[in-house]
Amino acid sequence: GENVEQHPSTLSVQEGDSAVIKCTYSDSASNYFPWYKQELGKGPQLIIDIRSNVGEKKDQRIAVTLNKTAKHFSLHITETQPEDSAVYFCAIHDGSNYKLTFGKGTLLTVNP
Amino acid sequence: EAGVAQSPRYKIIEKRQSVAFWCNPISGHATLYWYQQILGQGPKLLIQFQNNGVVDDSQLPKDRFSAERLKGVDSTLKIQPAKLEDSAVYLCASSFQYEAFFGQGTRLTVV
Repeated sequence: GENVEQHPSTLSVQEGDSAVIKCTYSDSASNYFPWYKQELGKGPQLIIDIRSNVGEKKDQRIAVTLNKTAKHFSLHITETQPEDSAVYFCAIHDGSNYKLTFGKGTLLTVNP
Repeated sequence: EAGVAQSPRYKIIEKRQSVAFWCNPISGHATLYWYQQILGQGPKLLIQFQNNGVVDDSQLPKDRFSAERLKGVDSTLKIQPAKLEDSAVYLCASSFQYEAFFGQGTRLTVV
């Protein structure tokens, strides 16, 4: 079945530094890779996603890279700000039944 | 565009009692998901609907959990009887194709 591993589980950076979170998966049929941000007391919010026919996608300070051969994808946040502090989840989509499987999450803390 | 609506926001019940959660997805979204999120963990899929049919319920504890999606729109998730380990946030999400949007969740505490 689908499996996705996410690292690190916690990440602490100084304001202005970059943060990178990585996920690996096992199902080669996965074709859609979203990233979610979850703030305390709220539901996960989609922040960026990438399809399997694209290697990289960028949206302002956030970027996602995908290596389908190695079955891993990463979230990159540049020029981090305190409001970036949250839990970030990667997810994989099985490509057929729209089943969405989540990683265990990364608690990002941006210190001012 | 209205988002995914869930109610109630919070619920406290005693073990062995029953509870129901309600979800109203984004209009036009055929796929509806129910996830269980235990504190400090990622969301775990309980059940996925495509319109009013079940696509995946492999991780739903069917001896105590049930869900339905009437007319392919609103959905309810029920737990009967509840156990202490059911304490979690129950998240509903909906999608048209790929992008899934989540509600704020229902925080359930079983005492």
